[in-house]
Amino acid sequence: DAGITQSPRYKITETGRQVTLMCHQTWSHSYMFWYRQDLGHGLRLIYYSAAADITDKGEVPDGYVVSRSKTENFPLTLESATRSQTSVYFCASSTGYNSPLHFGNGTRLTVT
Amino acid sequence: ILNVEQSPQSLHVQEGDSTNFTCSFPSSNFYALHWYRWETAKSPEALFVMTLNGDEKKKGRISATLNTKEGYSYLYIKGSQPEDSATYLCALNSGYSTLTFGKGTMLLVSP
Repeated sequence: DAGITQSPRYKITETGRQVTLMCHQTWSHSYMFWYRQDLGHGLRLIYYSAAADITDKGEVPDGYVVSRSKTENFPLTLESATRSQTSVYFCASSTGYNSPLHFGNGTRLTVT
Repeated sequence: ILNVEQSPQSLHVQEGDSTNFTCSFPSSNFYALHWYRWETAKSPEALFVMTLNGDEKKKGRISATLNTKEGYSYLYIKGSQPEDSATYLCALNSGYSTLTFGKGTMLLVSP
């Protein structure tokens, strides 16, 4: 089915480990985004991409790395996980800034 | 960082009540205003994207208005139903590729 899928849905990791969250969309949307959702903060943008091989920082990029070698995939890597990165992560895609975002189901990450 | 404010933070109404909430944003930074509905344990779903001052959009019992000159948008729900219980998010696009989200209004509709 067409859509946007995130994996894994749940992940527990230890401080200092590298973790990669996957995001895949089948619409060929140009734009893809990573947000984190924390109590009291709402959705905050980590990184975004306007097209393959084009990425840019959002509001809270520190500690994260992204890549976009193919239009359909936008993985988010935590290079050395910290407890402050415990959060729910949402990937989203859109055709442009006047178009609505389509969100994945989220990944709940716990860093112990 | 743009300041997108939503009020109230939460709201509890009875089935059948009509309700509304507010999204405020800096009027000088307006390009588009989005509304999303976010049910518990699900992901946000788009309701409206509004771009013009005076815009009014409607989807079933839910409608939204936009005032870009004074920097606010209202979301209205007519005859609330328990299935309307969700967090309603607004998000501002200020002319770049990204959205800045408000913290949301959590609506609970009791039967």
